Amino acid sequence: SYELTQPPSVSVSPGQTARITCSGDALPRQYGYWYQQKPGQAPVVVISKDIERPSGIPQRFSGSSSGTTLTLTISGVQAEDEADYYCQSADDSGTYWVFGGGTRLTVL
Amino acid sequence: QVQLRESGPGLVKPSETLTLTCSVSNASMSGSYWSWIRQPPGKGLEWIGYIYHTGNTEKTNYNPSLESRVTMSRDTSKNQFSLQMTSLTAADTAVYYCVRLRAGGFDYWGQGTLVSVSS
Repeated sequence: SYELTQPPSVSVSPGQTARITCSGDALPRQYGYWYQQKPGQAPVVVISKDIERPSGIPQRFSGSSSGTTLTLTISGVQAEDEADYYCQSADDSGTYWVFGGGTRLTVL
Repeated sequence: QVQLRESGPGLVKPSETLTLTCSVSNASMSGSYWSWIRQPPGKGLEWIGYIYHTGNTEKTNYNPSLESRVTMSRDTSKNQFSLQMTSLTAADTAVYYCVRLRAGGFDYWGQGTLVSVSS
């Protein structure tokens, strides 16, 4: 079955830049999405179609894609950005949807 | 904006069948893909499946790992869709979310409902 691979954790100090990666063989052919999830809350999409930032998402959130890797970048990290982040995409056929295992972002 | 709300039992016995319903507000179900996603306590997200219909066409698609136990259905007169999962075990204990799938991503989520499988 198709898998997306994320690092389990990333730590940064306030004001620094956090980068979270997501690897998957079908990513060159399928869009990727990023979700932020805070404790006790439903996930919220922060990046759509690899690079698009939905309305209401702060400009410090950006996405990029290169080959089989997606990257979520949070510039000037704030304490409120501490959360779990999940990437999501589809398999090569576009039939099934999968999530990465999630990355816990800790703001030191 | 689109609102989704899950409803169903919070506790189910092992081997029994779970039925959850999602009520959709401020959107027509026709022409959109409606999904279920679950999250075991302390773990990651798992896509369960989707249901889609337009006119007389209905399509469902399920995660292969769950396909033998899952059925999704809809009641467009009530703007609701449902998830039925059979032969539950403790491994099915999770928060279940109903979600809209659009352009390959999940844009609107319900608040989630915790389902515990225990005798």
